[in-house]
Amino acid sequence: GENVEQHPSTLSVQEGDSAVIKCTYSDSASNYFPWYKQELGKRPQLIIDIRSNVGEKKDQRIAVTLNKTAKHFSLHITETQPEDSAVYFCAASWSGNEKLTFGTGTRLTIIP
Amino acid sequence: SQTIHQWPATLVQPVGSPLSLECTVEGTSNPNLYWYRQAAGRGLQLLFYSVGIGQISSEVPQNLSASRPQDRQFILSSKKLLLSDSGFYLCAWSAMDREVQPQHFGDGTRLSIL
Repeated sequence: GENVEQHPSTLSVQEGDSAVIKCTYSDSASNYFPWYKQELGKRPQLIIDIRSNVGEKKDQRIAVTLNKTAKHFSLHITETQPEDSAVYFCAASWSGNEKLTFGTGTRLTIIP
Repeated sequence: SQTIHQWPATLVQPVGSPLSLECTVEGTSNPNLYWYRQAAGRGLQLLFYSVGIGQISSEVPQNLSASRPQDRQFILSSKKLLLSDSGFYLCAWSAMDREVQPQHFGDGTRLSIL
């Protein structure tokens, strides 16, 4: 089955700097890669996703890049703000599979 | 637009008592439905998922069960709770499609077993 590894497990970044979280996946059939943000005590919320037919997707300060050859994808947050502090989860899946395989999460702390 | 409701938001139960958590989705038909559990400070563990009424797939053998009596209703149950059942229970839905669709989570139920 699919295995998703996520690094780092914790990340502290000065406010205004950029943050990068990386995930690797094992199943070359995977073609859908969402990212979720979970604030303390709240539900995970989808913040961005990418399909394997593109290499990069941006939404304001958030971007995701995908390297299918190396089987890894990354979340990039620029100009970080205190409200970016949260746990971020990556996930992977493929067409015809109803399940997502999640990474173990990254706790991002933005230092004011 | 689609919405997902979970209740109760918090629950404190004694060991050995039964459990019933309910999740309903509005604004969509024939969704895929999921139950996850999250221990404090940990990741998301998929417990059950369903692609249709009466169709339940179990991911982790344990003393929990799930049922889908209606298209947009998903219920998580236990006959006798264990201390290890404590956690944050999240229901999620996704649209059924040829391509994988994102999952959307409910607000969760925080379950404490005493």
